Amino acid sequence: SAVISQKPSRDICQRGTSLTIQCQVDSQVTMMFWYRQQPGQSLTLIATANQGSEATYESGFVIDKFPISRPNLTFSTLTVSNMSPEDSSIYLCSASVSADTQYFGPGTRLTVL
Amino acid sequence: QKEVEQDPGPLSVPEGAIVSLNCTYSNSAFQYFMWYRQYSRKGPELLMYTYSSGNKEDGRFTAQVDKSSKYISLFIRDSQPSDSATYLCAMSGSNAGNMLTFGGGTRLMVKP
Repeated sequence: SAVISQKPSRDICQRGTSLTIQCQVDSQVTMMFWYRQQPGQSLTLIATANQGSEATYESGFVIDKFPISRPNLTFSTLTVSNMSPEDSSIYLCSASVSADTQYFGPGTRLTVL
Repeated sequence: QKEVEQDPGPLSVPEGAIVSLNCTYSNSAFQYFMWYRQYSRKGPELLMYTYSSGNKEDGRFTAQVDKSSKYISLFIRDSQPSDSATYLCAMSGSNAGNMLTFGGGTRLMVKP
């Protein structure tokens, strides 16, 4: 298994500002992902964080709004840029330890005023 | 139509009951099937995963996959109040370590 930590665990931000969320895995992993979970909803994949290259974004998500970094095999960041109240959500990172399994971090609860 | 359908519940059962949670899906390319448990204000926790069709048992939990019907189930025996959570099914194509498609989640409440 993998232990995944995220920082911050929660934040309240003002409209128009940006927030960077950090994700740290306790072992080297091949794949890391970022998801969004809106209140009472399931998880929606934002992007796959690729080590050494640009992230791969899903339909409806763009790099200018959600820039992602993956400098090594244990760490990734997601930035939520120019925030609006619609960005209020839980942001989760996950990591693929093997071909069979994917583990999740505890999430970052973001509120935008 | 969503790729993965899951009854949102809430499902309320008495302690000790057998719980059946289900998902249906439309994409026949899915081969890896997972169940996650998510407590309020926590990240999803991997409970079970199976590859292709068949059953898998782990303690009080049994995961069942019927690819011919595009139907998966999670059974919880002797349910406990600590099982109260949202249960999410997830599935993937050629590699479970790749992009997962999630169901909407079923909220389960086990009453003492």
